[in-house]
Amino acid sequence: GENVEQHPSTLSVQEGDSAVIKCTYSDSASNYFPWYKQELGKRPQLIIDIRSNVGEKKDQRIAVTLNKTAKHFSLHITETQPEDSAVYFCAAYGGSNYKLTFGKGTLLTVNP
Amino acid sequence: NAGVMQNPRHLVRRRGQEARLRCSPMKGHSHVYWYRQLPEEGLKFMVYLQKENIIDESGMPKERFSAEFPKEGPSILRIQQVVRGDSAAYFCASSQQGALDYEQYFGPGTRLTVT
Repeated sequence: GENVEQHPSTLSVQEGDSAVIKCTYSDSASNYFPWYKQELGKRPQLIIDIRSNVGEKKDQRIAVTLNKTAKHFSLHITETQPEDSAVYFCAAYGGSNYKLTFGKGTLLTVNP
Repeated sequence: NAGVMQNPRHLVRRRGQEARLRCSPMKGHSHVYWYRQLPEEGLKFMVYLQKENIIDESGMPKERFSAEFPKEGPSILRIQQVVRGDSAAYFCASSQQGALDYEQYFGPGTRLTVT
């Protein structure tokens, strides 16, 4: 089945800096890659996603890139703010099964 | 437009009791997924259901766990004879068309504590 690796597990940046979180997946048939943000004690919230026919997608300060050949995708947050502090999960969907496989998460801390 | 609803939000059970978790998908969504999240870990897929059908239960333990999504009413995740290791947050998510429409939206979760 699908296996998703996510790095780093923790990331601390200064307010205004950029943050990058990287994920790799194993099933080359996966075709949908969402990113979720989860604040402490809250539900995971979909913040951006990308489908396999696109290499990059941007939404204000958030962007996601996908390299299908290398089977990796990344989340980029620019001009970070303290409210960006949360756990971020990447996931892969599709391929041989119809379910989301999540990475273990990255705890992002943005220091004021 | 109400989002995914789950209840109860918190559930405390003694070892050996049954836990019943409910999930109402977003309006217009007919596909439900259940995930388990252990403290400081990621989300693990448990089961994928459509109305009256279990599509994929490969992530659900074979014993003590069951799930349903009846024609009327919410989806229910049932855990019989709970043990301490069942303590976790259980999230459900819903999507519009399952495999055809991938976006999944999560409910607030049920935090199960087994004492």
